[in-house]
This record gives sequence, structure tokens and C-alpha cells, in this order.
Amino acid sequence: AQSVTQPDIHITVSEGASLELRCNYSYGATPYLFWYVQSPGQGLQLLLKYFSGDTLVQGIKGFEAEFKRSQSSFNLRKPSVHWSDAAEYFCAVGAKGGSEKLVFGKGTKLTVNP
Amino acid sequence: ETGVTQTPRHLVMGMTNKKSLKCEQHLGHNAMYWYKQSAKKPLELMFVYSLEERVENNSVPSRFSPECPNSSHLFLHLHTLQPEDSALYLCASSQEWTFNQPQHFGDGTRLSIL
Repeated sequence: AQSVTQPDIHITVSEGASLELRCNYSYGATPYLFWYVQSPGQGLQLLLKYFSGDTLVQGIKGFEAEFKRSQSSFNLRKPSVHWSDAAEYFCAVGAKGGSEKLVFGKGTKLTVNP
Repeated sequence: ETGVTQTPRHLVMGMTNKKSLKCEQHLGHNAMYWYKQSAKKPLELMFVYSLEERVENNSVPSRFSPECPNSSHLFLHLHTLQPEDSALYLCASSQEWTFNQPQHFGDGTRLSIL
């Protein structure tokens, strides 16, 4: 079965600084990878997804993620963080076989300092 | 603006009450999901409906009873809940029930059990 690990529970960055959120997955075949963001009091919103092709994926709100098969990683990046990016970020992996479902990581909470 | 609407946004109930959560999607999707989100735990998939048929039931206690009367509406009927059931309940939908489909989430119902 597939699994997802987000090693960082909480990250704090200053506004304008760069950001990288880590995600590692475990799955035997090519995974389908997603990043979602959850602002306080709201549901999850899809930031970007990777299915195949170019390993650098562009998403909404200036985010991008890079798929690295050798490292089983799909890290999320943003060159310059805005205060409105403060939220919780979830990595998820979809995998075929047995049950058609997404498996989510526990999330990384991002705090942005002014 | 979300294409998935959940009501109520907040619900406080005693352990002996009966209540229902409602979800409505305006996206023309064929699959709908209930998730439970508790602090410090990954999102837990509870139920999946595809074309109004239940296709997934992840060992959820019988005090949670889902209902999907049509492809746009999903309910979660609650009775005799326990304090550990306090959580954010998220509804989601996707075009089809497959692992590679991004899911669209509602803003959730915050449930508190007294």
C-alpha cells in the first residue's frame, strides 16, 4: 500500500523568503502526486498535481513541485512567500490497485512572519 | 467560491442526539467522499460513493451512516456518537472514482460531541 511522509510538522518563514516543504512517498510503481492547501476554517484546495512527463510541475498561487523518483520525493517550493500563504499543506499520493483512493500525509503547518 | 457546499459549518451535539451532515456539489461529478480530519492525524477516508453506490467503507463504526440520494447530494447521519468523534468532517467530490482524479473539498463541518 502507498504511504506519504511529511517530515516537518511546522515551518516558520519570513515574508519574502523562499519556501520548500518536503514530501516523501512510498509506492512500488509510478505514483500520482498531489499537493493541497488548507487555510484556517476552510477545506482543502488543490495546488498542483503530477501524473507523468515533466518532473517540475507548476501550480496555482506561484507554487511549484519537483518529482524526484530516485529520492521518492515531491517537494513543494515557492520562491517568495506571502503572508497569505500561511496555512497547512498536505501531500497526497494516489495509487491503483485494490482501492482507488488518495492517501494523505499528516500535513505541514506554515507560519509566515512579517 | 467552492463548488462543494457543506452544512452546517459547526455542530455541537450530545452523545444521545441524532443529527445529519449535508454535502452538495455543483460540479457535475460522479464520485463523492466523506473524510474525518482530527488534529495531528492524516485525513481518514470514511466513505466513497460512485454514481450513487457506496464503493468504499473504511471500517467506520455503525454510528455513522452515509446516504447518497443522487450524484449531487451526500449525507452523513450521526447517532450515539462518542467524544472521540469530535473532528472536522470534510466532503469531497471528483469527476470519477479513480486514484488519479483530483478531489474538490467543501469547507467542512466542525463537530463537537459533549
